[in-house]
Formats: sequence, structure tokens, C-alpha cells
Amino acid sequence: EPEVTQTPSHQVTQMGQEVILRCVPISNHLYFYWYRQILGQKVEFLVSFYNNEISEKSEIFDDQFSVERPDGSNFTLKIRSTKLEDSAMYFCASSDIAGYNEQFFGPGTRLTVL
Amino acid sequence: AQSVTQLGSHVSVSEGALVLLRCNYSSSVPPYLFWYVQYPNQGLQLLLKYTTGATLVKGINGFEAEFKKSETSFHLTKPSAHMSDAAEYFCAVSATSYDKVIFGPGTSLSVIP
Repeated sequence: EPEVTQTPSHQVTQMGQEVILRCVPISNHLYFYWYRQILGQKVEFLVSFYNNEISEKSEIFDDQFSVERPDGSNFTLKIRSTKLEDSAMYFCASSDIAGYNEQFFGPGTRLTVL
Repeated sequence: AQSVTQLGSHVSVSEGALVLLRCNYSSSVPPYLFWYVQYPNQGLQLLLKYTTGATLVKGINGFEAEFKKSETSFHLTKPSAHMSDAAEYFCAVSATSYDKVIFGPGTSLSVIP
């Protein structure tokens, strides 16, 4: 069964450093997303991406964040200068345009900012 | 705008007892509704979904949920709890299959032997 994959599974970084979280969506999907979950809290939408551009972003997704689809398979989330409060689990998801399918979530990357 | 509320941040049931996790949603369009389960330190696994059609939806691991438009509810049930059901459960809503998913705050389910 096709699945969304994410690397790394755990990333530790120092405050102020740049991090790039990587995702490989399901191959025939066209919509891509990033969500985050701060420890003990609910999952929050960050950004959606379609046709090589951002289709929607939340208030959380400020200028420190960016997304990119650098090739035909990867989808990345970059945080330019990490803050302590960026520590969270980051989930990538993808979906196709069929009317009855859901978003498929990856296993997540746990980001720890020290 | 869409939103989800889940009554009870923590629910405890005895092994073999009925599981009932409550979810109410708000949506300006016919909603897509989901239940996800998250085991400790793991990702999100889809339990079941409602898009259109039959309002009683069956999912994995013996769970089911009923969409009640008049009550704007999508409660999750399982007739008999198992120890392995202990996890965090998230109800979620979306406007379409490709729109952003709005998650509820989650309900932590404990199963007592």
C-alpha cells in the first residue's frame, strides 16, 4: 500500500539554526500539506501546496517557514531560524483530487530545538 | 469556518465495556468527517471517515461512527474495549478531500483491566 514517508524521524537542532524537514508524498497525489503537533496538544494545519504554489497557510506559517517541491517526489518544510517554540512533531500529508479520498499522513518528524 | 469539539479530554473504560467518544463539529458546508488514532510517539492512523452516503460508518479495529447532521455530531463507538485501544483519538473535519483538515483537541482513552 502506498504511503507518505518523512525524514528524519527525529531532528535535534540549536535555536537559531535552519532545519529542513523532508517528505515524499504518495506518487500520484497532487495536494501536499504540513501540520504540526506540539507535545500534548492538537494537530494544527500549517500550509497546503498545489500546482507548485501555496494554496493556503495558517497564522502559524510566518516568514520563518517556507515549503518547496524541489523535484518530482520530495516536498520540504524549511524553518529558517528555529525557536524553542518550534519544537513539535511535524506531519506531512498528501491527497489526490478524487472526491472520496482522505489525506494520507506520514509518520512525522519530531523536531527538538535546544 | 470549521471547528471540532470533543467532549472529555480523558475517558476511562473497563476492558470489554462500550467505548463512546464524543465529537461535535461546525461546518458551513457538508463536511468530510474523520476519526484518527494516535498511539504514543507514533503518527496518525485513520480509523474511519464519512464523506457522503450511509451515515453509519465502519472503520478498522471494530470502531464505528454515526454522522448525525441534525445534531452536528460524529461520535465514535466500539462495543467492547480492548487493552490495545488505549490511545489518543482525534476527530477531524474538512470541507473536501483536499482542503485542510481541522482537528479536535483529542480524547485520551484509557482501558482498565
